[in-house]
Amino acid sequence: DVKVTQSSRYLVKRTGEKVFLECVQDMDHENMFWYRQDPGLGLRLIYFSYDVKMKEKGDIPEGYSVSREKKERFSLILESASTNQTSMYLCASTRTNRNEQYFGPGTRLTVT
Amino acid sequence: GEDVEQSLFLSVREGDSSVINCTYTDSSSTYLYWYKQEPGAGLQLLTYIFSNMDMKQDQRLTVLLNKKDKHLSLRIADTQTGDSAIYFCAESTDTGTASKLTFGTGTRLQVTL
Repeated sequence: DVKVTQSSRYLVKRTGEKVFLECVQDMDHENMFWYRQDPGLGLRLIYFSYDVKMKEKGDIPEGYSVSREKKERFSLILESASTNQTSMYLCASTRTNRNEQYFGPGTRLTVT
Repeated sequence: GEDVEQSLFLSVREGDSSVINCTYTDSSSTYLYWYKQEPGAGLQLLTYIFSNMDMKQDQRLTVLLNKKDKHLSLRIADTQTGDSAIYFCAESTDTGTASKLTFGTGTRLQVTL
């Protein structure tokens, strides 16, 4: 079974803090994605990566950055957390030339 | 850009059929997906349909695709309380580097006794 894990299920941070969200997949997938999920808005793509050290902006990249130093790991970074970044963050991965994405359990981030 | 729309809420009685609807705008989508999200969990792939198909059946699940109207539906037969969840439809878009998925807002299915 494909397994996608995220470093924390719940996280509480203060405004202005630097926040790291980690995602690891164990199926040697080339592509990895970060989404945020908000009620009534569905999932919105923040960034994705199609190879090590490669990244592309999604639909809402402002206020976020990412890092992919190893194939299995994709990190989402909030340089200076703000209250409007309180959300559920979901990581996903997929193999090249396959569309179905496999999701981690999510990290619920609260910024106070 | 791509846009995927769903109604936000559906309530059905246990044992009835549920039909969750979705409309999308990108006519070049190759695959369309249905995902299920149970409370406190990530998304789980339920089923998908290739864009040149009209229908796909998988046990209690039936997916219907009307490509002309860009309308996708998911029918769950004999709905059970364990089917209570949020259901997302998604369309795939090839960016040239990786295939992205555009998700709908999600439909919360409530199953009552």
